[in-house]
Amino acid sequence: NAGVTQTPKFQVLKTGQSMTLQCAQDMNHNSMYWYRQDPGMGLRLIYYSASEGTTDKGEVPNGYNVSRLNKREFSLRLESAAPSQTSVYFCASSEDRDRGRDIQYFGAGTRLSVL
Amino acid sequence: QKEVEQDPGPLSVPEGAIVSLNCTYSNSAFQYFMWYRQYSRKGPELLMYTYSSGNKEDGRFTAQVDKSSKYISLFIRDSQPSDSATYLCAMSYYTSGTYKYIFGTGTRLKVLA
Repeated sequence: NAGVTQTPKFQVLKTGQSMTLQCAQDMNHNSMYWYRQDPGMGLRLIYYSASEGTTDKGEVPNGYNVSRLNKREFSLRLESAAPSQTSVYFCASSEDRDRGRDIQYFGAGTRLSVL
Repeated sequence: QKEVEQDPGPLSVPEGAIVSLNCTYSNSAFQYFMWYRQYSRKGPELLMYTYSSGNKEDGRFTAQVDKSSKYISLFIRDSQPSDSATYLCAMSYYTSGTYKYIFGTGTRLKVLA
């Protein structure tokens, strides 16, 4: 089992460019998450999907969009990248957020630099 | 005041020492308590989770929860250089029809050979 797989691992963008970060999990989990991690700020939730077909905003959603493509896949899109979006992005999944089975498992991360 | 507070460190200890990592929290609604280990340039890896007050042991690791003091700890016995990483506490509780999951900012640990 691969767990949670994120692509790409690294990306450099110019301001204004767009890109999509991909995430897939093979644990048959219902819930998936996108976080960003910045020095001194810890992990901050961008968006989550409690179950297939639903998405909700987290703590820092501005400048991002998400798509829950199916049960396995949850993508994060930056429509017009800004230097403030330079960060490490982590995808996570849990068995079922809405039923309290919310222990989260993380991917290896995507390091994004916006110049 | 942050809901979860964690000393950023770094904490440096000699190999073989007992390490104590701690988090405090302000919201008595927290129900689940987790510890993650994050190696440099890697994703957080779940180490332990617990629901109730008391101790939970797994090999060299012991997680302790004191709900009355709103304080959780992770103890590492016989620490090894391979334990050098950042340790994140996390907590969750049920609110407004869903669960809210809060992470500490992490404590960086260095175990010196």
